[in-house]
Order: sequence, then structure tokens, then C-alpha cells
Amino acid sequence: AQSVTQPDIHITVSEGASLELRCNYSYGATPYLFWYVQSPGQGLQLLLKYFSGDTLVQGIKGFEAEFKRSQSSFNLRKPSVHWSDAAEYFCAVEKDGSEKLVFGKGTKLTVNP
Amino acid sequence: EPEVTQTPSHQVTQMGQEVILRCVPISNHLYFYWYRQILGQKVEFLVSFYNNEISEKSEIFDDQFSVERPDGSNFTLKIRSTKLEDSAMYFCASTSTDTQYFGPGTRLTVL
Repeated sequence: AQSVTQPDIHITVSEGASLELRCNYSYGATPYLFWYVQSPGQGLQLLLKYFSGDTLVQGIKGFEAEFKRSQSSFNLRKPSVHWSDAAEYFCAVEKDGSEKLVFGKGTKLTVNP
Repeated sequence: EPEVTQTPSHQVTQMGQEVILRCVPISNHLYFYWYRQILGQKVEFLVSFYNNEISEKSEIFDDQFSVERPDGSNFTLKIRSTKLEDSAMYFCASTSTDTQYFGPGTRLTVL
């Protein structure tokens, strides 16, 4: 069965610093890949998605992610973090032919002033 | 921008009671989903629904759970006899293509 691994449970960065959140998946073919963000007490908001084509995808709020087939990775990046980016970030995979999303355990981001 | 909405935002119930969680998907979407997130754990798929029937369900979605689209706008999740372990945040999602859009969730607390 496919799985999604987010190896970092909690990351702390300073405001203005760059950010990279890691995501690896295990699945033979290229699945659809997503990053969602969950602010405290809120639902899941889609940041960006990758289906095919250009492996560097741009999302909302200045985020981007790069799909690397050789590493089965889809890491999320932001060049300069803002205090409002503090939230929990979830990587998710949708296997072609299935309708369900499989989520990673999430990475909680803390932003220091 | 259209959104998925869910009511109530928080539901407290006694063990053994029935609860109905309500969702209003985005109006032109055709596929509907329920997920849950137990506190501190990952978001888990429960069920997907299309054309007035379940299209896929997880092993979590046992006979205690049911879903319904009673009219053209609502999509409900019913838990017949709640257990303590049903305490979680329940998210509804909908899509018309490949991207699922999530509601804000209903926090269910079973006492």
C-alpha cells in the first residue's frame, strides 16, 4: 500500500529564514501529490498540487514544491517565512484510480520572531 | 470563492448516542468525502461518495457509519452508536476533478 512519510514532526525557523519541509512517498507509479496547510482550529487548505509536467510547482502564499521522481520526494519550500506561516503542513498522495488521499503525519512549523 | 461548510463546528455526545455530522459541498462538485483526524494523528480517509452511492470506503468505515445525500446540497455522516474512540475531527471534502477541497471540520467529542 502506498504511504507518505514526513520525517520532521516539528520544525522551528526564524521569520525571514528559508524553509524546506520534506515529503517522501512509496508508490510504484507517479501519484498525484498535494500539500495542505492546517492552521490551529482550521480545516485543510490546499497549498499546491502536482499531477504531471513541470516538476517545480508554484502554490499560494509564496510556497513551491519540487517533484523528484528519482527520490520519490515532493518537498515544500518557501524562500522567506512569515510569522503567519506557523501551522501544520500535510503532504498527501492520491493514487491513480483511487479516490482517497493518503496523508503523511504532518510537520508542525513554528516561526520565531 | 466557494467553500465547503460543515456544521456543527463542535459536537459533544454521550457514548452510545447517534450523531449526524453535516456538510455542504461546493455546489458544482460531484464527488464527496469524509476523513477523520484523531488528535495528534494523521488525517485518515473514511469514505467517498458519488452518484448517490459509496464508491470507496476504508476499514474504519464499519456498519456504525453511514453517509447520505438527503437533498441537492447536504452530505451527512451518521455514526449510529458512538464510541469513545470516535472522538476526532471529521472533515468533509468535495471535488469536481482531481483536487479535493476541505471544510473546516467538526470536532466530535464522545464522553
